[in-house]
Amino acid sequence: NAGVTQTPKFQVLKTGQSMTLQCAQDMNHEYMSWYRQDPGMGLRLIHYSVGAGITDQGEVPNGYNVSRSTTEDFPLRLLSAAPSQTSVYFCASSRGLAARTDTQYFGPGTRLTVL
Amino acid sequence: AQSVTQLDSHVSVSEGTPVLLRCNYSSSYSPSLFWYVQHPNKGLQLLLKYTSAATLVKGINGFEAEFKKSETSFHLTKPSAHMSDAAEYFCVVSYVTGNQFYFGTGTSLTVIP
Repeated sequence: NAGVTQTPKFQVLKTGQSMTLQCAQDMNHEYMSWYRQDPGMGLRLIHYSVGAGITDQGEVPNGYNVSRSTTEDFPLRLLSAAPSQTSVYFCASSRGLAARTDTQYFGPGTRLTVL
Repeated sequence: AQSVTQLDSHVSVSEGTPVLLRCNYSSSYSPSLFWYVQHPNKGLQLLLKYTSAATLVKGINGFEAEFKKSETSFHLTKPSAHMSDAAEYFCVVSYVTGNQFYFGTGTSLTVIP
């Protein structure tokens, strides 16, 4: 199994550009999520999904969109990039619909810089 | 608010000495608690988790943590630090009432040779 994969690994955008961060998992996990990691702030939840066709907002959803058309894929869209979105983005997945006790498996991360 | 607090942003220990990384959670609901480790420029990996079974939880690489409800704590320990333990450690909590995980701000562990 490849586990959780993310592309690209690095990206530089100009303010106002849009892009999609890709995330895929091959473990048939129902729960998938996106986090951003900023120095001194830990990981903060952007959006999550408990299954195909179901998404919900996390702690910091503004400026980001998600959709979940398949179990495997959970792309994150930046609509109009801003310097405040410079961060490292992690995708994670876990087995069940109930996130509470399941181990999360993390991708390697995407380092995004917005100029 | 449901949250988790890691009491130290940086911890330095000498190789071969004990490690203690502190974590407190805040909620009256029954929590599930996790410790994850992140080595430089890597993703996160689960060290151990507590999900209402035994209060003393053993994880990988010799780490363990004890759930203390009376103190709302879940501190991570290891008897003897190794150079390869140098990393960022995150305490994470989730609750029966929701579908989210809440991360602490992280503790950076330095191991001195």
